[in-house]
Amino acid sequence: KNEVEQSPQNLTAQEGEFITINCSYSVGISALHWLQQHPGGGIVSLFMLSSGKKKHGRLIATINIQEKHSSLHITASHPRDSAVYICAVRFDNDMRFGAGTRLTVKP
Amino acid sequence: DGGITQSPKYLFRKEGQNVTLSCEQNLNHDAMYWYRQDPGQGLRLIYYSQIVNDFQKGDIAEGYSVSREKKESFPLTVTSAQKNPTAFYLCASSIQHRETQYFGPGTRLLVL
Repeated sequence: KNEVEQSPQNLTAQEGEFITINCSYSVGISALHWLQQHPGGGIVSLFMLSSGKKKHGRLIATINIQEKHSSLHITASHPRDSAVYICAVRFDNDMRFGAGTRLTVKP
Repeated sequence: DGGITQSPKYLFRKEGQNVTLSCEQNLNHDAMYWYRQDPGQGLRLIYYSQIVNDFQKGDIAEGYSVSREKKESFPLTVTSAQKNPTAFYLCASSIQHRETQYFGPGTRLLVL
């Protein structure tokens, strides 16, 4: 069983829609990361969270430490947001990665 | 420009052959990592190095080997002992271990 679960696995949206991707984890963590993987395979770090909420442009990430849950929101989605979004958690000396959510935004 | 480079982008391996994937960074990062990505699964750690001339096994080190002779370079060798090498391989680095990791563009390895 993966220690990091993401939902949904796949998500298709129309341009302009509000997107939510969820991440749940099963162990105590020191930090949670949201990563974006482009179709070519390259990965970019979007956020690192240990509590509360962070915002960058149209992206918002929240974390609830007590519930072991994080969400990534995209407002006013655009086709260029199409990518795989990966949740990763750090605990002790290890990083654990979710399987990713494939987002497709149609024009 | 600072960053991480991986080469080649695509690599083909014949049965019984060892192949080496290159990873270079000019970010002056101490720590470097190798991950394997398979469809429908999260990234899995193969090896990591916190400092030059030192490296540690990750979760799936069997069939792989690494070296860290220079700070900027962390090559991964996929040996013939790795029976299922077809995957996407990602290299990453961080200023120090446990800090935010920066990823390379990846190498896709295919078996002929």
